[in-house]
Amino acid sequence: DTGVSQNPRHKITKRGQNVTFRCDPISEHNRLYWYRQTLGQGPEFLTYFQNEAQLEKSRLLSDRFSAERPKGSFSTLEIQRTEQGDSAMYLCASSPTGFDGYTFGSGTRLTVV
Amino acid sequence: GNSVTQMEGPVTLSEEAFLTINCTYTATGYPSLFWYVQYPGEGLQLLLKATKADDKGSNKGFEATYRKETTSFHLEKGSVQVSDSAVYFCAPGNNRLAFGKGNQVVVIP
Repeated sequence: DTGVSQNPRHKITKRGQNVTFRCDPISEHNRLYWYRQTLGQGPEFLTYFQNEAQLEKSRLLSDRFSAERPKGSFSTLEIQRTEQGDSAMYLCASSPTGFDGYTFGSGTRLTVV
Repeated sequence: GNSVTQMEGPVTLSEEAFLTINCTYTATGYPSLFWYVQYPGEGLQLLLKATKADDKGSNKGFEATYRKETTSFHLEKGSVQVSDSAVYFCAPGNNRLAFGKGNQVVVIP
């Protein structure tokens, strides 16, 4: 068990560019979650998958955001036309049931300049 | 949806002091309750959990009891160490968790 892996750890991008982050969950966990955390705040829910199905999306997830989990294993989160307000830590977590808590990855820190 | 209120401001205390961090929540249905901890430079880690009323979660000397009647899940530790310095987040939920703003705890030797 290598935990939840996120790549890249850091991403600096210019406003208007597209970015994509990857999350590899714990292999036997069928639930995968994306959260966003800004400085001094707790994580905010973005979306979650059960296997390959995206079952819930937050209203925070605007049309510029899209997430996929094509084979029920790794997931990607893409942000199109980035804005400075997208600067945050993007956290991925996985869970076997959703009721016993999550294992979080270390996050991808996005800075939009 | 679920929401959580944590006490305002950082908490600074001396080593071996008693720690309490208050957490109250509002929830639809019957959520599980969690405390997560974020040590400096590290990711969020599950500290403890409780899944039903009157359950007590415990780990690393920390405890919290699921109080359904007061919708609270206060975190306590009897004797803190410098290594407990971290940010602590309360989070109710089933599947989708709602995190509070967190409380920074600073333990001074």
